[in-house]
Amino acid sequence: QVQLQESGPGLVKPSETLSLTCTVSGGSISTYYWSWIRQPPGKGLEWIGYIYYSGITSYNPSLKSRVTISVDTSKNQFSLKLSSVTAADTAVYYCATLSPRGYYFDYWGQGTLVTVSS
Amino acid sequence: QSALTQPASVSGSPGQSITISCTGTGSDVGGFNYVSWYQHHPDKAPKLLIYDVSHRPSGVSNRFSGSKSGNTASLTISGLQAEDEADYYCSSYSSSSTLEVFGGGTKLTVL
Repeated sequence: QVQLQESGPGLVKPSETLSLTCTVSGGSISTYYWSWIRQPPGKGLEWIGYIYYSGITSYNPSLKSRVTISVDTSKNQFSLKLSSVTAADTAVYYCATLSPRGYYFDYWGQGTLVTVSS
Repeated sequence: QSALTQPASVSGSPGQSITISCTGTGSDVGGFNYVSWYQHHPDKAPKLLIYDVSHRPSGVSNRFSGSKSGNTASLTISGLQAEDEADYYCSSYSSSSTLEVFGGGTKLTVL
């Protein structure tokens, strides 16, 4: 059973870079597409992007210019960086596995709230 | 505004059945059999209930079932239980440049 745990600062200042890490346990980092999803307060879910262990990435076009997802296979971790944040980036951020067998998210972390505020 | 449309809330009594709809377009729900459903209890990790429209992962109760007609997918929960009270989200593959799109979520209240 794959388990995911997000970590990172809960408060980021406007114009700075949001950085989060997802630690993977119970599964091989080379099995899944490792994804980030977010949910702004009172709104629906939004897919941010994914990375495969080989380094292949795919990003939501609406965020592509500001997003970088990377993977560290030696630490069984993958990370999200979102630059030039504004209050609109305030959200609960989830890491999740995008199944290699189809277009669905097998496992999710509990999520971490990131607030953008000065 | 979410790409897929779900009712904001539904309710039912224990033992009853409820259905949650998820409406998209021919570029997502209607064009592919890649609809999935997730259950989310507050402060917990979302849980995959249904994938590929109607398939249940191992360990998910058969009280949960999925279907699709045209551009609308549906999640049916039969024999409602108090523990089913949660938020439910649909998702679909999209042929647009956004790989996956989600619904806005439906809050299920068990009366």
